[in-house]
Amino acid sequence: GAVVSQHPSWVICKSGTSVKIECRSLDFQATTMFWYRQFPKQSLMLMATSNEGSKATYEQGVEKDKFLINHASLTLSTLTVTSAHPEDSSFYICSARGASTDTQYFGPGTRLTVL
Amino acid sequence: QKEVEQDPGPLSVPEGAIVSLNCTYSNSAFQYFMWYRQYSRKGPELLMYTYSSGNKEDGRFTAQVDKSSKYISLFIRDSQPSDSATYLCATRKTQKLVFGQGTRLTINP
Repeated sequence: GAVVSQHPSWVICKSGTSVKIECRSLDFQATTMFWYRQFPKQSLMLMATSNEGSKATYEQGVEKDKFLINHASLTLSTLTVTSAHPEDSSFYICSARGASTDTQYFGPGTRLTVL
Repeated sequence: QKEVEQDPGPLSVPEGAIVSLNCTYSNSAFQYFMWYRQYSRKGPELLMYTYSSGNKEDGRFTAQVDKSSKYISLFIRDSQPSDSATYLCATRKTQKLVFGQGTRLTINP
């Protein structure tokens, strides 16, 4: 149980384009989803928290107009990186937490490379 | 001071050894503690989850929480090369997770 998937697993795009990453909870309803960013050999950095049906709450320093988060259903959240630039290249990981769970379950991550 | 401190390593041990991974935390109000394992280029996988003080065992893994000293540990018995990964300790702060830096562990055959 508690499986979270992400799609795509890796993506390469040109500078200036937008990229959408999907995060799905496969066997439970995710009342809260989280988006993280991870640079090589570093720990996870929380970008935003989203509750189903509500606007996402962004961490300090994260541009909400650049990283658009939608959590329209209890099993799906999306992160859109708008007008991507090479400095946005990173490993993006989502996690999900259900109403009856105390912890977060992570997706496999999406590696974004912006050329 | 970081809320959760973890020695980043790297830590390298021979196969079969007992591994001890440790973290300290600063806020005595933290109650929930987790250990995640992360393989290269993969998302973190929940290994152990404990509430308050005490020990929890699952197969070759034992998680230990000492709230009096604000110290959490993960022990791996009979370590295997497949245990080579980065291990992240974490605690829950409201609905967010606060992570340690992660310890890179290599088990040598």
